[in-house]
Amino acid sequence: DAGVIQSPRHEVTEMGQEVTLRCKPISGHDYLFWYRQTMMRGLELLIYFNNNVPIDDSGMPEDRFSAKMPNASFSTLKIQPSEPRDSAVYFCASSSEGTETQYFGPGTRLLVL
Amino acid sequence: KQEVTQIPAALSVPEGENLVLNCSFTDSAIYNLQWFRQDPGKGLTSLLLIQSSQREQTSGRLNASLDKSSGRSTLYIAASQPGDSATYLCAVYTSGTYKYIFGTGTRLKVLA
Repeated sequence: DAGVIQSPRHEVTEMGQEVTLRCKPISGHDYLFWYRQTMMRGLELLIYFNNNVPIDDSGMPEDRFSAKMPNASFSTLKIQPSEPRDSAVYFCASSSEGTETQYFGPGTRLLVL
Repeated sequence: KQEVTQIPAALSVPEGENLVLNCSFTDSAIYNLQWFRQDPGKGLTSLLLIQSSQREQTSGRLNASLDKSSGRSTLYIAASQPGDSATYLCAVYTSGTYKYIFGTGTRLKVLA
């Protein structure tokens, strides 16, 4: 299996622009997680899905952030409008029912100027 | 609210040393605890997972222990190698949620 796939790997954008991050979970996994990692706050869970349904989005920082999972093999995290404080590494992870091991993607390094 | 702390934040040791990384958590009602490794610019790799009913788990040169009552876990690395250089994170899965709360990590450097 190719593992969790994220795109793009790096994104540089200007403040106010819309940013869309993409994730393809491991085939057969029914849980998908979006995390954000910064030096100041470490790794934080933003939202997670079970069978494509958002279960807990309490970690989403503001209304500027939204996430969707239209099918079992694809999810997006959108920031609109982006701000410099959104600069971070965004990770996607997936796991399967009955196991707690989460498999992480390589992350998307976002820089908002 | 669960809080996870890792000490030290950074550690530098000569090759061959045995070392211990520490993780503490404030809420002992955990379901499990997991240790991850993160290489620069990469994602996280799971190293060991300890269920709340277990005291320790071993994988090769790695041994993780769990003391739920005191809110502590340690990751022991035997005979460290330069290839062990990475950031090590512990994550706690609190009962009643499906969330891992991560510590801020220990950045390990093993000198050749």
